[in-house]
Amino acid sequence: QKEVEQDPGPLSVPEGAIVSLNCTYSNSAFQYFMWYRQYSRKGPELLMYTYSSGNKEDGRFTAQVDKSSKYISLFIRDSQPSDSATYLCAISSSNTGKLIFGQGTTLQVKP
Amino acid sequence: NAGVMQNPRHLVRRRGQEARLRCSPMKGHSHVYWYRQLPEEGLKFMVYLQKENIIDESGMPKERFSAEFPKEGPSILRIQQVVRGDSAAYFCASSPLGRGIDETQYFGPGTRLLVL
Repeated sequence: QKEVEQDPGPLSVPEGAIVSLNCTYSNSAFQYFMWYRQYSRKGPELLMYTYSSGNKEDGRFTAQVDKSSKYISLFIRDSQPSDSATYLCAISSSNTGKLIFGQGTTLQVKP
Repeated sequence: NAGVMQNPRHLVRRRGQEARLRCSPMKGHSHVYWYRQLPEEGLKFMVYLQKENIIDESGMPKERFSAEFPKEGPSILRIQQVVRGDSAAYFCASSPLGRGIDETQYFGPGTRLLVL
């Protein structure tokens, strides 16, 4: 079993739709959760991070963590064509800070 | 403030040659992480270095791969005797304090290695 599982998609939605991206993880000791966005042929950029269960909002983006279910989500409201990218969930797994990434979900927002 | 810099951006090597990938962290950052992204896969951790020290190399292949971060100059990821399976995008990330679990890592644009 992979430590972090993420549906690779692709996911295609119309502009303005609410997008839900999800990951599950296997180790209940994980405690720091992140979402990165990666445009084609570019490096990942950090979108959101959170420590604890619950929701964290930043503009059109909401990150949600449910530690009891080992489930993390990223919601994008009012999606825009510029949101078209690959979204990677990541978990910090040790005191050295190395990140364990999901496979990434490719999102396309159509005008 | 310049971001993480990687060069070259694209590298083509024939089987058996050596590949050297360079990473200059963000200004003020002294902690460097290397990740590899194979086609259709997510990023996989390879190695974590501080200046002149390898802290965690649990993701490095046992043979042909090595990494260093000297006191002066960029971090280098070196792949000897490359094989086609080494073709991938290699990303470097840096962080300022090495505080670990709760510190943001900033990624560079990557080096795309193609082995012919």
